Amino acid sequence: SQTIHQWPATLVQPVGSPLSLECTVEGTSNPNLYWYRQAAGRGLQLLFYSVGIGQISSEVPQNLSASRPQDRQFILSSKKLLLSDSGFYLCAWNRGNTDTQYFGPGTRLTVL
Amino acid sequence: QQPVQSPQAVILREGEDAVINCSSSKALYSVHWYRQKHGEAPVFLMILLKGGEQKGHEKISASFNEKKQQSSLYLTASQLSYSGTYFCGEGGTSYGKLTFGQGTILTVHP
Repeated sequence: SQTIHQWPATLVQPVGSPLSLECTVEGTSNPNLYWYRQAAGRGLQLLFYSVGIGQISSEVPQNLSASRPQDRQFILSSKKLLLSDSGFYLCAWNRGNTDTQYFGPGTRLTVL
Repeated sequence: QQPVQSPQAVILREGEDAVINCSSSKALYSVHWYRQKHGEAPVFLMILLKGGEQKGHEKISASFNEKKQQSSLYLTASQLSYSGTYFCGEGGTSYGKLTFGQGTILTVHP
């Protein structure tokens, strides 16, 4: 069976510091991968998606970047965090165009 | 453009029923329903692909109208465990991406 992991689970960072969040999927190959951000009490905003190694598409302009160095690894990064980067970051995966997405446990980021 | 969910929030007592709607101005390729409990990741409930489709999962079921512009989620004889935020996601546009509605907060009281 497939499993998706995210770490860290929680993170508190000062404004201007760098960020690296990691997501890995087990039990499948060549998944589509997605990064979402959810502000407190709000909906799910798609940030990036990837259909293969090194292939990253950005959905919204922002202070963040994503990379996919291996087939089942997806990384979300920032060089300098802003207060507005605070939120719940969710990684998700699926197999194809109509396949449902399955979410990881999420990382709660607080920027102070 | 994201699908529109209604109502934004609903409060129930245990045993009562609720309906959550998800609408779009254009035909949806597919609809994916999720439930998210506070502080947790969304959990997949069901997917509907065909116009006129109905699908059930215990006391939670969903329908997709013939024109594929509206989907409804039905929660019957609600339980405390049904509390959470329900999201519908429009799927199938490209690369498996989902565009989510704004969510419906469901609260079930004893």
